Amino acid sequence: DADVTQTPRNRITKTGKRIMLECSQTKGHDRMYWYRQDPGLGLRLIYYSFDVKDINKGEISDGYSVSRQAQAKFSLSLESAIPNQTALYFCATGARSSTDTQYFGPGTRLTVL
Amino acid sequence: GDSVTQMEGPVTLSEEAFLTINCTYTATGYPSLFWYVQYPGEGLQLLLKATKADDKGSNKGFEATYRKETTSFHLEKGSVQVSDSAVYFCALRDSGTYKYIFGTGTRLKVLA
Repeated sequence: DADVTQTPRNRITKTGKRIMLECSQTKGHDRMYWYRQDPGLGLRLIYYSFDVKDINKGEISDGYSVSRQAQAKFSLSLESAIPNQTALYFCATGARSSTDTQYFGPGTRLTVL
Repeated sequence: GDSVTQMEGPVTLSEEAFLTINCTYTATGYPSLFWYVQYPGEGLQLLLKATKADDKGSNKGFEATYRKETTSFHLEKGSVQVSDSAVYFCALRDSGTYKYIFGTGTRLKVLA
């Protein structure tokens, strides 16, 4: 089984709908991250969490919210989806160490019509 | 703030050609530097990393050296294969905030 899983893998929704993307990990890592990937822009950090009670905004958090339900679960919500939130979303995890590496999930492709 | 700049693609090479993908960074302190690779339809996976100046990361024939004097971490491979076709991302991890900053990615296409 994959260490970092994301559900759903693909989602098409309409403007104004509430959407939740879920991420689960079995790596036992404290740190979890949400990124979005857009062509020509690379990956941009939306939110990150260093443990269950520590959640921080990234560079593009407007329009998004997150919930860290447990060490292994980190959900991203779009309260009222808009078309420019159409993107590929990645969850990643990392260990608490001085040279941690990020481990990425397979991504969720979200289309907002 | 921190930033990562990498060469724009796409880069198209013939099999067995030499590859260089340039990456430069701006950061305070002493960041860790990474190259990640993304194959079609997949998430990113670590290719190699370096944590301090003059360190060389290497994996699967790819190499990159942490050059603090030129703030660079260029990716090289002596002989590319068709299977190396992917998107390559340079990234840094800020030593103070532990946040990652990614470059925009460089698409590599290797032709048989």
